[in-house]
Amino acid sequence: AQSVTQLDSQVPVFEEAPVELRCNYSSSVSVYLFWYVQYPNQGLQLLLKYLSGSTLVKSINGFEAEFNKSQTSFHLRKPSVHISDTAEYFCAVSPDYDKIIFGKGTRLHILP
Amino acid sequence: GAVVSQHPSRVICKSGTSVKIECRSLDFQATTMFWYRQFPKQSLMLMATSNEGSKATYEQGVEKDKFLINHASLTLSTLTVTSAHPEDSSFYICSAKKPGAQPQHFGDGTRLSIL
Repeated sequence: AQSVTQLDSQVPVFEEAPVELRCNYSSSVSVYLFWYVQYPNQGLQLLLKYLSGSTLVKSINGFEAEFNKSQTSFHLRKPSVHISDTAEYFCAVSPDYDKIIFGKGTRLHILP
Repeated sequence: GAVVSQHPSRVICKSGTSVKIECRSLDFQATTMFWYRQFPKQSLMLMATSNEGSKATYEQGVEKDKFLINHASLTLSTLTVTSAHPEDSSFYICSAKKPGAQPQHFGDGTRLSIL
């Protein structure tokens, strides 16, 4: 069985400041790791994913996440946030792309 | 590419009525579609997995007679909430994927409010 823990339910951060959203997971098998973003009243959009290879993965809008096997973590970071980054961010794992297990989400609140 | 359309985006209806939600993959053939439910400030919980041409597989605790799923074509799956009650009010999200090791693409969700 797999599980995902997002320790922070809400993260306030000033615009243009860096941010890190934490994600830890547990699994007895190899899994794919994902970050999804959900804007208000919308579905989820895939932000980035880790399958294998380089442990640092990047998205087109400046986010990056690093897979750390020893710490079973997949934290999401951005060096400088923008007001448009305000959203709910979900970390997720899946052993096979079909059965996705989501964390409870972290609400990123950008302060002006 | 990989666009999933969900309709309607919002439904408000009286208790006891049935509500149908459609999920369409617009530019790809989705052999598998998924239905999720999301309570306020909670994560997504998988309700069922729908494979084209076969019966849906429901997660534990989800009433299959309450939440009817039909996946009649490679581009369309429907979720019907039968005899809806206020406790069925929620945000329902579908997703679709191509065959094989491919990511799921999500619709924009349907907010269902039962009065």
